[in-house]
Amino acid sequence: SQQGEEDPQALSIQEGENATMNCSYKTSINNLQWYRQNSGRGLVHLILIRSNEREKHSGRLRVTLDTSKKSSSLLITASRAADTASYFCATELRGSWGKLQFGAGTQVVVTP
Amino acid sequence: DAGITQSPRHKVTETGTPVTLRCHQTENHRYMYWYRQDPGHGLRLIHYSYGVKDTDKGEVSDGYSVSRSKTEDFLLTLESATSSQTSVYFCAISERAGESSYNEQFFGPGTRLTVL
Repeated sequence: SQQGEEDPQALSIQEGENATMNCSYKTSINNLQWYRQNSGRGLVHLILIRSNEREKHSGRLRVTLDTSKKSSSLLITASRAADTASYFCATELRGSWGKLQFGAGTQVVVTP
Repeated sequence: DAGITQSPRHKVTETGTPVTLRCHQTENHRYMYWYRQDPGHGLRLIHYSYGVKDTDKGEVSDGYSVSRSKTEDFLLTLESATSSQTSVYFCAISERAGESSYNEQFFGPGTRLTVL
């Protein structure tokens, strides 16, 4: 079974609104990463949060990590049509040679 | 963009034929990974490499083999393609961040493989 599970599976919002998606995982991690994938393209790294960090910001992105609950959230503020994409969380397990386990993703549609 | 290319970008082949996909990087990163992406599954790791000639299996390695004879190239081979291997294949690279953790992965553009 997958290590990371995103919720919701799909999200539809209007430009200017905030988008929040969550990721839960099962075992101890070194870090948790969020990636974006536009239709038909490769994945693009957004943000990495290490297991000893609780919150991280990058531009309009805010990521939180709660290791006690084994969960993370990604917030995109003031969304734009260009944010339309699939978003994946990925966990790097301890002792894993950098291997990542991905969730199935959240599909976000931002309408003008 | 990280210097990662994949070839071919699209391939249609028949069941039972061998197929080799190539990943080439210009970043001199030590770690390389092959994933497949299927609807509803996210990305699943097929094989990975932690150095030249050093490779190991991922979670869905059956039916696949890999080779890495140079830092910059990581080859994925389907010895005898099956329809269940129809997928989009992504290569990724990364480097170590410290003693026991790694940096983010950079992904190639993907190869869409169809096995008829």
